[in-house]
Amino acid sequence: NAGVTQTPKFQVLKTGQSMTLQCAQDMNHNSMYWYRQDPGMGLRLIYYSASEGTTDKGEVPNGYNVSRLNKREFSLRLESAAPSQTSVYFCASSEGTSQIWGGTDTQYFGPGTRLTVL
Amino acid sequence: AQSVTQLDSQVPVFEEAPVELRCNYSSSVSVYLFWYVQYPNQGLQLLLKYLSGSTLVESINGFEAEFNKSQTSFHLRKPSVHISDTAEYFCAVSDVYTGGFKTIFGAGTRLFVKA
Repeated sequence: NAGVTQTPKFQVLKTGQSMTLQCAQDMNHNSMYWYRQDPGMGLRLIYYSASEGTTDKGEVPNGYNVSRLNKREFSLRLESAAPSQTSVYFCASSEGTSQIWGGTDTQYFGPGTRLTVL
Repeated sequence: AQSVTQLDSQVPVFEEAPVELRCNYSSSVSVYLFWYVQYPNQGLQLLLKYLSGSTLVESINGFEAEFNKSQTSFHLRKPSVHISDTAEYFCAVSDVYTGGFKTIFGAGTRLFVKA
């Protein structure tokens, strides 16, 4: 099992450009998450999907959109990138169902995408 | 409001010395508590978690954490660290909010183990 995979690993964008970060998991998990990691701030939740076909905003959703394409895949789109979106982005998944953002579940993380917006 | 405070941003320690990484949280309800570890250039992985029962939980690589409800703390300890323990450690707290649960991560503590 590959676990949680993310593409690309690195990306440099110019202000105003758009891009989509891809995430896939092969553990048959119901919930998937997108986080950003910034120095001194830990992980902050951008969006999550508690089940196939549903998505909800997290703490910092502005400037992002998501798509839960199927049970395996959860993509994050930046429509018009800004320097404030320079960060490391992590996708995660967990077994949980229903409207549970975490709960008792262990979250399994991908290796991350390092994004720089110039 | 729920919050997680990791009191030390960096902890340098010599190999084979003991270490304690501190985590305090604020929540007025029952919580679930986690420690995740992030090795360089990797994603986070679960180290240990407290859900219920014994307040002392252990990981397979010698770390332990104790849930202290009165002090709202979940400090991580290891009696003797190795070079390979060098990583960033994140405390996370999950508690109930309207409609479900909410998990918040602390800012992280970088552990540097020196030879």
